[in-house]
Amino acid sequence: RKEVEQDPGPFNVPEGATVAFNCTYSNSASQSFFWYRQDCRKEPKLLMSVYSSGNEDGRFTAQLNRASQYISLLIRDSKLSDSATYLCVVRVAGRRALTFGSGTRLQVQP
Amino acid sequence: DVKVTQSSRYLVKRTGEKVFLECVQDMDHENMFWYRQDPGLGLRLIYFSYDVKMKEKGDIPEGYSVSREKKERFSLILESASTNQTSMYLCASSLWIDRVILTGELFFGEGSRLTVL
Repeated sequence: RKEVEQDPGPFNVPEGATVAFNCTYSNSASQSFFWYRQDCRKEPKLLMSVYSSGNEDGRFTAQLNRASQYISLLIRDSKLSDSATYLCVVRVAGRRALTFGSGTRLQVQP
Repeated sequence: DVKVTQSSRYLVKRTGEKVFLECVQDMDHENMFWYRQDPGLGLRLIYFSYDVKMKEKGDIPEGYSVSREKKERFSLILESASTNQTSMYLCASSLWIDRVILTGELFFGEGSRLTVL
């Protein structure tokens, strides 16, 4: 079983739609959580951290549910430029490196 | 801006060849990482280094070795390339580990796409 699981998609949504991605993690010792964005043929880049209380950054909202061991990312008012793969990332206690999910692909259509 | 530079964007090698992938970062970061990325499997950690000459195995180190003789440079070596090592290889760097814990901020290079025939 993968440590971090994501629905690969693709999620095809029209501009202006609201879309949500979920990610589940299996290791209860996971301490820190993040979302990365990866454009086609580009390197991954940090999008935002995920805090226990939930956090927002403009049109993006991230939430963490430790009891159910899942993380979510909500994108409101989708733009064409939001088209990318969104990677769920976890840091497990005691490990120096981050563990990445395989990503969810989003395609926003005009 | 942090710059992580990988020496080759595209390589084609033959089975059994020795392959060197070079990565250089210009921000004096302590930590450097090598990941490979494959469809459906995501990014998997091969090796990382937290200091010069220090290294730790990641999740899939078999068939790979690394070298970090200078702080800014981290090399991935495939001693005898095989077809199942055809992949996208991503190098990353970060500041001290506490910052990674807090911010999750890894800086990636553009990747090296290796094809082994």
